[in-house]
Amino acid sequence: TQLLEQSPQFLSIQEGENLTVYCNSSSVFSSLQWYRQEPGEGPVLLVTVVTGGEVKKLKRLTFQFGDARKDSSLHITAAQPGDTGLYLCAGHGSSNTGKLIFGQGTTLQVKP
Amino acid sequence: EPEVTQTPSHQVTQMGQEVILRCVPISNHLYFYWYRQILGQKVEFLVSFYNNEISEKSEIFDDQFSVERPDGSNFTLKIRSTKLEDSAMYFCASSGEGDQPQHFGDGTRLSIL
Repeated sequence: TQLLEQSPQFLSIQEGENLTVYCNSSSVFSSLQWYRQEPGEGPVLLVTVVTGGEVKKLKRLTFQFGDARKDSSLHITAAQPGDTGLYLCAGHGSSNTGKLIFGQGTTLQVKP
Repeated sequence: EPEVTQTPSHQVTQMGQEVILRCVPISNHLYFYWYRQILGQKVEFLVSFYNNEISEKSEIFDDQFSVERPDGSNFTLKIRSTKLEDSAMYFCASSGEGDQPQHFGDGTRLSIL
């Protein structure tokens, strides 16, 4: 069974601080996706990482895919209150049917 | 930007009743999915659908569940006889290809009384 473990589950920081969220598995994933989910809404795609070792940047967000394609990280520089939300990593299952396996999410609170 | 739309946003139903959750995927997408999220838990895969048939379903997706694409635009999830434990947010998603990023609707909150 493919599983994705996210850490930490909860993070409360002050505006301006940096943070990193981790997404780990013992299984290889062909790609990993990062989503952000606001209360009462569906997950919104932030980025997809496909190649081992790949680094993608989205303004103050940096996403990295591990060399072995078993883990990923999301780093936020100089966090702002607008970054507050639930961050989810998800990977495609091995069955090639599009099934996404989600981590349990990281709830981020950025205090002004 | 095209989006996935789901109706209703909130459904309250008595236990044992049938419910149909509706989704309109992005128009040129070919792959369709249902996920659910019980309060405080992770998003769980229910079913994937391609070329008018189920391509994969999870253990959660038992005989009480069914999906249908009745016309060229709608994608529905039916729960035949609801149970208390079916209470959750149900998300529909679609993608252009099976390995492409999925776009999610805002979900239907299903409350079983």
